[in-house]
Amino acid sequence: SAVISQKPSRDICQRGTSLTIQCQVDSQVTMMFWYRQQPGQSLTLIATANQGSEATYESGFVIDKFPISRPNLTFSTLTVSNMSPEDSSIYLCSVGDGNNEQFFGPGTRLTVL
Amino acid sequence: RKEVEQDPGPFNVPEGATVAFNCTYSNSASQSFFWYRQDCRKEPKLLMSVYSSGNEDGRFTAQLNRASQYISLLIRDSKLSDSATYLCVVNDSWGKLQFGAGTQVVVTP
Repeated sequence: SAVISQKPSRDICQRGTSLTIQCQVDSQVTMMFWYRQQPGQSLTLIATANQGSEATYESGFVIDKFPISRPNLTFSTLTVSNMSPEDSSIYLCSVGDGNNEQFFGPGTRLTVL
Repeated sequence: RKEVEQDPGPFNVPEGATVAFNCTYSNSASQSFFWYRQDCRKEPKLLMSVYSSGNEDGRFTAQLNRASQYISLLIRDSKLSDSATYLCVVNDSWGKLQFGAGTQVVVTP
């Protein structure tokens, strides 16, 4: 399976600021996704990152708050904008194969003070 | 009602014993089913896909019961390294994956 890396691995941020998380894959992939996992909770899909077009957001997530870029088939970024403590979470990117299986990056642990 | 429901556990299992747990899903049109394993402070990792006929991978056996809309995972001869949270994952009507909250398994010496 593809090797997926994320940067940063963790960060502590002040409320009102923004953080951009990078996801890099070692091979070209069609499907990339961004998830959030809040403490003690399951994974929630934020959006599907589409190469060359706007991301597809899930209910409850909007582009102004979580802008996503996907400039090519190996890279995507997720920005968490105007952060509040409620945004403290683990953010994970994943890539999909043709069998609906998904493989996850190591995650970015975000704490907002 | 949640799309995917799991017993959160923890299931405390003596080393060498067998443990089994289920996951129920609400969407009868779901076609793909998976078990993921998540270690503390790590990302989920695909353990196995679940096929209609059931499948086995070493000490792990997964079953699908479409009539009752549940999948199961059985771990035989438990190892200390099997301690983790096991996530049940089902695709929804739009092909997106829905994750359960996980079942925690603790294997004790």
